[in-house]
Amino acid sequence: SQTIHQWPATLVQPVGSPLSLECTVEGTSNPNLYWYRQAAGRGLQLLFYSVGIGQISSEVPQNLSASRPQDRQFILSSKKLLLSDSGFYLCAWSKDSYEQYFGPGTRLTVT
Amino acid sequence: QQQVKQSPQSLIVQKGGISIINCAYENTAFDYFPWYQQFPGKGPALLIAIRPDVSEKKEGRFTISFNKSAKQFSLHIMDSQPGDSATYFCAASRGSTLGRLYFGRGTQLTVWP
Repeated sequence: SQTIHQWPATLVQPVGSPLSLECTVEGTSNPNLYWYRQAAGRGLQLLFYSVGIGQISSEVPQNLSASRPQDRQFILSSKKLLLSDSGFYLCAWSKDSYEQYFGPGTRLTVT
Repeated sequence: QQQVKQSPQSLIVQKGGISIINCAYENTAFDYFPWYQQFPGKGPALLIAIRPDVSEKKEGRFTISFNKSAKQFSLHIMDSQPGDSATYFCAASRGSTLGRLYFGRGTQLTVWP
């Protein structure tokens, strides 16, 4: 069966510091991978998606970037965090462009 | 522009009652309509999904009703239980767009014992 991992689970970072969130998927190959952000009490906003190694599409221009160095690894980064980057970051995967499965999420607080 | 509109924002139901959450969409090219359940501090979990070639899909106590002409779909939770208390999100996508899901804003369901 497939499993998706995210770490860290929680993170508190000061404004202006860098960010690196990691997502890995087990039990499948060449998945589509997605990064979402969920603000408190809000819906899910798609940030990036990837259909293969090195292939990244951005949905929202912002302070963040994504990379896919390996088939089942997806990384979300920032060089300098802003207060507005606080939120719940979710990684998801899909195989057939329909059913998407989410990871446990990372709670980021920028202080 | 909100591609998928969800209502109500919050819902309180008594144990054993029926919970109904509604969603509407504009893009007739959407061909996949999932519902997700999210507990506090957890990632959303895929609950049930429907394609537009059927009008209803049932899995246990959860049923999706789909009205293609009205561009609406709804989630019905029969015999609602306190353990169903969570936030529910509807979504829509086109398979040709690599699974780009458009989410509703969510409904916070509370089931009183």
